[in-house]
Amino acid sequence: QQQVKQSPQSLIVQKGGISIINCAYENTAFDYFPWYQQFPGKGPALLIAIRPDVSEKKEGRFTISFNKSAKQFSLHIMDSQPGDSATYFCAASMIGNTDKLIFGTGTRLQVFP
Amino acid sequence: ETGVTQSPTHLIKTRGQQVTLRCSSQSGHNTVSWYQQALGQGPQFIFQYYREEENGRGNFPPRFSGLQFPNYSSELNVNALELDDSALYLCASSTRGPSSYEQYFGPGTRLTVT
Repeated sequence: QQQVKQSPQSLIVQKGGISIINCAYENTAFDYFPWYQQFPGKGPALLIAIRPDVSEKKEGRFTISFNKSAKQFSLHIMDSQPGDSATYFCAASMIGNTDKLIFGTGTRLQVFP
Repeated sequence: ETGVTQSPTHLIKTRGQQVTLRCSSQSGHNTVSWYQQALGQGPQFIFQYYREEENGRGNFPPRFSGLQFPNYSSELNVNALELDDSALYLCASSTRGPSSYEQYFGPGTRLTVT
């Protein structure tokens, strides 16, 4: 029940295309859903996050879509660029508890020019 | 504003040895969480420190322990190292509060156990 399932494991997108990464969770007590971007040899960097009281959040080319009834959320990267090539992790947590983040298994995104 | 820093960057230890990893939290943050990231995997929560006390622990044995200091910096100690402890150890800082829950990660310490 603590798991966060992420797909696909890897994704290849042409420059300018849309990258879509999906995550699903079981624990309905989760109330914070961030996405992190990680480059090789670096720590994860917070990209964008959403709370379950909204169905969508957009920041620049990055959008989170959230479906509370389906217990699913996804990251959309519009106009994907080669610089977006990285591993993306979704995560979930219960705010006010330990705030510990439960991470998905990661998606390796490659954007080709 | 200073980000999260960790030291050392890389470390090689022998099985059975002990290791101490260090983390300085981001300016203004009072909470530190430690995560272990095995190669090709997502980070796994080890524990969190708030007000110098452990505030939640993941599924890690007692040989993983930690400290938080009055300046909010933190240490992760691992005793009796095992080969499976080889991983990237990440520290994340945050500020506890009803509207503050974003965790910011440091660059990590790459631990290799031989």
